[in-house]
Formats: sequence, C-alpha cells, structure tokens
Amino acid sequence: QSVLTQPPSVSGAPGQRVTISCSGSSSNIGAGYDVHWYQQLPGTAPKLLISVNTNRPSGVPDRFSGSKSGTSASLAITGLQAEDEADYYCQSYDSSLSGFYVFGTGTKVTVL
Amino acid sequence: QVRLQESGPGLVKPSQTLSLTCTVSGGSVSSGYYYWTWIRQPAGKGLEYIGRIYTSGNTYHTPSLKSRVAISMDTSKNQLSLRLTSVTAADTAVYYCARGSYSSTVLCYGMDVWGHGTTVTVSS
Repeated sequence: QSVLTQPPSVSGAPGQRVTISCSGSSSNIGAGYDVHWYQQLPGTAPKLLISVNTNRPSGVPDRFSGSKSGTSASLAITGLQAEDEADYYCQSYDSSLSGFYVFGTGTKVTVL
Repeated sequence: QVRLQESGPGLVKPSQTLSLTCTVSGGSVSSGYYYWTWIRQPAGKGLEYIGRIYTSGNTYHTPSLKSRVAISMDTSKNQLSLRLTSVTAADTAVYYCARGSYSSTVLCYGMDVWGHGTTVTVSS
C-alpha cells in the first residue's frame, strides 16, 4: 500500500557497511520532496535518524548517512554495530495524496 | 525537553469510536513552527501515517481513513486528540503521537519527538 518501497531486510557483519534504499516516484521523492529516516529499536517508538535527506539530529552517530537522487533515497550505515539491529523507515511527502506524508515499507537490519 | 504521552482505552468494541489523547509537556501545542501527528503500527507491521494538525488548527488525514478520522487540539489542556469512528479489527495497533517541525522554506524537518505509544485492541 505504501508508495515508498524498501527492501524487507538487509544484513551485515559487525564493522561492515550496509545501505537501505527507499524507492519512490515522480509524485514524492522525484518531485523534490525531502526524505527523512527513522530507526525503531525492538519494542520502542521510532527515532528520527536523518532529517531532510542528509542531516543528522544531535546525538545521532556519524556512522549513519543519508542521500537522495532522482526518485530514490538511501540510508547508509558504516561500521555496523550490534546496537544498529532495528527496523528502519523512510518518510516523505506525496503530492498525489492531498497533503499527505507517507512512510516506506520498512527494512529490518540484522547484524550477523 | 518536550515529552508526549498517549492515553486512552486499550480495548474498543467493533463499530464503536476509538478516542485517544496525547498530553504534551515541556512545550506548548499552540506555538512554534510545529505540527502534531498521529501514527499507528499494527503488530509486526510497518508505520502508517494517520494525520496531523498544525498550530493553526489546519488538519490533514490519510485518504484511506479520512471519513472516519478527526484530529483536534485542546490548547487549554495542552493536548491532542484522535477520534476514529466505526472501528474494526483492522484498527488494532500501537498508536503514537509525534511532533514534526517545518519552516518558511522547508516543508518538513521530520518528526523529532515521539510518545511511547499506546496499544489499542478492537475486539468484542
């Protein structure tokens, strides 16, 4: 149902780099609307991880980085750590939905 | 430091109305370049954006729920409210309230403050 598509899961060994894609369309990311990323640790509320495509809120480690190009965005985690095992969601605005914000389908990151 | 706390009945019967409150502490619901959102998450599933209300009172709701959803603000109590009518089992979820921010040049900076969430089960 979501208009933003993410891979269901990605995995990596500690210290590795993983990336999560967020695929949209010309009515959301491709239209220039910003993308935000959230991390949801098990049993907790989501936490803002990346704001406005590339910006890390205070307290977010610089291991996390965001980028955007065309109709897609990506979240990269470098130097993967055990505590990074969580669900990650992208979020953007969609002009075809009457002023509505949408979340991506979510990606489970597993640290091997 | 702004904190959000959701509250409401944990169990609602099918066809009835779900009413939740989000109490804001450490800040005002009616000031600043903020909007207040409701988001839900069925068990084991992803996040679903329900709607938002700006300090101006303007509201936006998800098209799929639009006819059943009402979001309001009580500035005297510093609270937000969510009403969802004619609920079914599909409305069973953890419901979160969250604060978003914007500016004159940026539509949305994302949602930086979240409540812990409250679980609502729809069952007879």
